[in-house]
Amino acid sequence: SYELTQPPSVSVSPGQTARITCSGDALPKKYPYWYQQKSGQAPVLVIYEDNKRPSGIPERFSGSSSGTMATLTISGAQVEDEADYYCYSTDSSGNHRVFGGGTKLTVL
Amino acid sequence: QVQLVQSGAEVKKPGASVMVSCKASGYTFTGYYLHWVRQAPGQGLEWMGRINPASGDTNYAQKFQGRVTMTRDTSISTAYMELSRLTSDDTVVYYCAGGEWVDIWGQGTMVTVSS
Repeated sequence: SYELTQPPSVSVSPGQTARITCSGDALPKKYPYWYQQKSGQAPVLVIYEDNKRPSGIPERFSGSSSGTMATLTISGAQVEDEADYYCYSTDSSGNHRVFGGGTKLTVL
Repeated sequence: QVQLVQSGAEVKKPGASVMVSCKASGYTFTGYYLHWVRQAPGQGLEWMGRINPASGDTNYAQKFQGRVTMTRDTSISTAYMELSRLTSDDTVVYYCAGGEWVDIWGQGTMVTVSS
């Protein structure tokens, strides 16, 4: 079955740029989405269709892709950005979705 | 207000089935797929499948084929996920998620499987 691969953890200091990667064979043809999940809460969409931000999501969140790799970038990470981040996309058939394993972002 | 509201926590015995409901409001229920996602304690998100509320067509993750059934009742804008032959590994939080960008999430339903 299709898989998306993320690093388990990323750590930055406040104000630095955090980059979280997601690799998958179908990413050149299928848009990645990114979700933020804080402890005990439902996930929140932060990026959809590769690089679009839903309303209410700060401008410091951005997305990009190159080949089989998608990247979520948080420019000037804040302490409140500490959370688990998941990439999400579709397999080549378009019928099945998958989440990456998640990346724990630490900002301290 | 755009929201998905799920049914409450459940406790089931091994081998039993559980049905979780998800009621949509504030948007066109039949306009977008409704997905089911689960999360074990301290673990990542796992996609279970989706239903097209307009047609009833479903796609299930291979892992759950034969054990999961997703249905909907358009008259009350509600989707259902039934999981059968429960084991302790099914003790997780179940979420429904929908909207044009899968940006609307329910609050989650905790299902505990215990003898």
